[in-house]
Amino acid sequence: QSVLTQPPSVSGAPGQRVTISCTGSSSNIGAGYDVHWYQQLPGTAPKLLIYGNSNRPSGVPDRFSGSKSGTSASLAITGLQAEDEADYYCQSYDSSLSGYYVFGTGTKVTVL
Amino acid sequence: QVQLQESGPGLVKPSQTLSLTCTVSGGSISSGSYYWSWIRQPAGKGLEWIGRIYTSGSTNYNPSLKSRVTISVDTSKNQFSLKLSSVTAADTAVYYCARAVGIRWFDPWGQGTLVTVSS
Repeated sequence: QSVLTQPPSVSGAPGQRVTISCTGSSSNIGAGYDVHWYQQLPGTAPKLLIYGNSNRPSGVPDRFSGSKSGTSASLAITGLQAEDEADYYCQSYDSSLSGYYVFGTGTKVTVL
Repeated sequence: QVQLQESGPGLVKPSQTLSLTCTVSGGSISSGSYYWSWIRQPAGKGLEWIGRIYTSGSTNYNPSLKSRVTISVDTSKNQFSLKLSSVTAADTAVYYCARAVGIRWFDPWGQGTLVTVSS
């Protein structure tokens, strides 16, 4: 049961910039919880891409950037490359009920 | 570098209990302020957090699965385990184990294991 909403798909030509939105609510992103992003290549486990809204783990290219504002967050990919074709998920924490981790619905990025 | 590996039956009959184990290597499961989690992904669908355990044994579960889930830890074996009872076809998914940094991000993840519920 995904609590964070993402567009099902985005696409762009090589070298272009694409953005993926992640919309939450006052009990998760809007409550101040950080947003994190994962990249999932076909047939593989998700890999941490952005943590703490805008931080990149070691080894992640600076083409990937994240931001957060209000009840939403965004992931931007600049200089799109063929190897960026993958599924992307946002993730946060929700304080409703007893508290639990929540994921976005996922976005498929296609490189044209 | 910490690595996680899931193991367990790939086929479970309806109404039975799904049991999986995650083995942690490259570091002690007891070190640091980490929570050890289970996450699943049905084919072609998104990610769903199942639950987590701290090395003290404290657990938290997804409210939608809470009545059927038990997560336990064996620090002597550097493992933690998942039990999901009364499974149906809707529980068919790839199950991942992952390390959570508090209530923040998951890193690293195991490679995942496919569990199919079918008679």
